This record gives sequence, structure tokens and C-alpha cells, in this order.
Amino acid sequence: EILLTQSPGTLSLSPGERVTLSCRASQSVSSNYLAWYQQKPGQAPRLLVHGASRRATGIPDRFSGSGSGTDFTLTISRLEPEDFAVYYCQQYGSSVTFGGGTKVEIK
Amino acid sequence: QVQLVQSGAEVQKPGSSVKVSCKASGGTFRNYGISWVRQAPGQGLEWMAGTTPIFGTTNYAQKFQGRVTITADESTSTAYMELSSLRYEDTAVYYCARVLMVNFWYFDVWGRGTLVTVSS
Repeated sequence: EILLTQSPGTLSLSPGERVTLSCRASQSVSSNYLAWYQQKPGQAPRLLVHGASRRATGIPDRFSGSGSGTDFTLTISRLEPEDFAVYYCQQYGSSVTFGGGTKVEIK
Repeated sequence: QVQLVQSGAEVQKPGSSVKVSCKASGGTFRNYGISWVRQAPGQGLEWMAGTTPIFGTTNYAQKFQGRVTITADESTSTAYMELSSLRYEDTAVYYCARVLMVNFWYFDVWGRGTLVTVSS
């Protein structure tokens, strides 16, 4: 089973700041089959990125994904108030596993 | 626009079973897959299993094999997840989610979740 480790666990930031979230896999993710989700309290997750770098339909371009192999990154170029949430990575190259999540909170 | 509507909250006793439904509206049910993901209170996401009706296949996370059963009824565009031998630690919100392209298991549409509480 591929284990995904997300870091940091929590980020305290202000609106307008740039955010970089990390997702590291215990082994190479086949074909970079890596997705990112955003989840707000009391809501279902929302797909942001799939295939490591492909934004999902309707996702603002301030969200971008990058990386390959075992190291992946989600970047939010400029934090908007609605971006404070928990972010999860998920690999689907070998079965399916999720990372433990990174919480982005207001400083 | 595909929507996934899940059944209501459940309270079940330890050792019993629970069956959660997920009805899809819009799109062609047969052409995509449905996965089940759970989230314990204050915890992260955990994939349990998924099914692809067009191939008639179901895949299970090793942790849940033998205890979870996934079925799909194409006539009603409804998927079901049954979890047996319930334990207190199975208390969680259970989500169904769509697999848009059956060979790429990321999830583009989610149900609102069904809270299952295991309590004596």
C-alpha cells in the first residue's frame, strides 16, 4: 500500500499569502496519478486537481498542482478567505490511498 | 450535472450491519464508477471500496475485505455499501463519490455523506 505523508499538519496564514502544500509518497506514484481535494467543515471534499497538475472543472487558476514520482505539491498563489480549509492528497496509481491532510487556518 | 443523494443517518449496535444507499441523478450510471470513502470524527479520509458497473468489477481496500459489500442497481442508478460486524470505531461519515473515468480512480462528484453511529 502506498502511504502518503502530508506536511505540514497545520499552516497559519493570512489572506493574500502564497501557500505550498506537500504530499510525499512512500513509493513512486504510477503515471503521476495524484489528486488534491479541499474540504471545509461539515462539507464533502471537493476535487481540485487530478493527474498531479490538471485542474478540475471550475477550479480557479490560483490553485496549481505539480510534482512527479514521490513528491507532489499543491500551490495556492494568493489565499482568498474561502480557501481556509483542509487539503488532502490522494493517489490512484496503485489502489487508492489518501494523505492525512493539511489544515490551512487563518492567522 | 450529476448529483449523488445518500440515505439518512443511522444508529446501529455493535455486531450488526448497516446498508447505505447512493442514488445518482444525471449522467449515465453505467458509464462511471462509484467509490465509498469514510471519515471518522475529526479524522482524515479513508477509501473503502469501489465498483464499476460497466465492467462488473468491485475493488476493496484490504482493511475492509470480507466486511464490506458494494453493489449497484443500474435500473435505479443506485449504489449500496453494506458494512457488517460493526464496531464502535466504525462510527463515521460515509461518502459515496463518482469515478468519472473508470480507469482513473479520482472522485469528481461526492454525496453529502451519511453519518453512521455505532452505539449500544
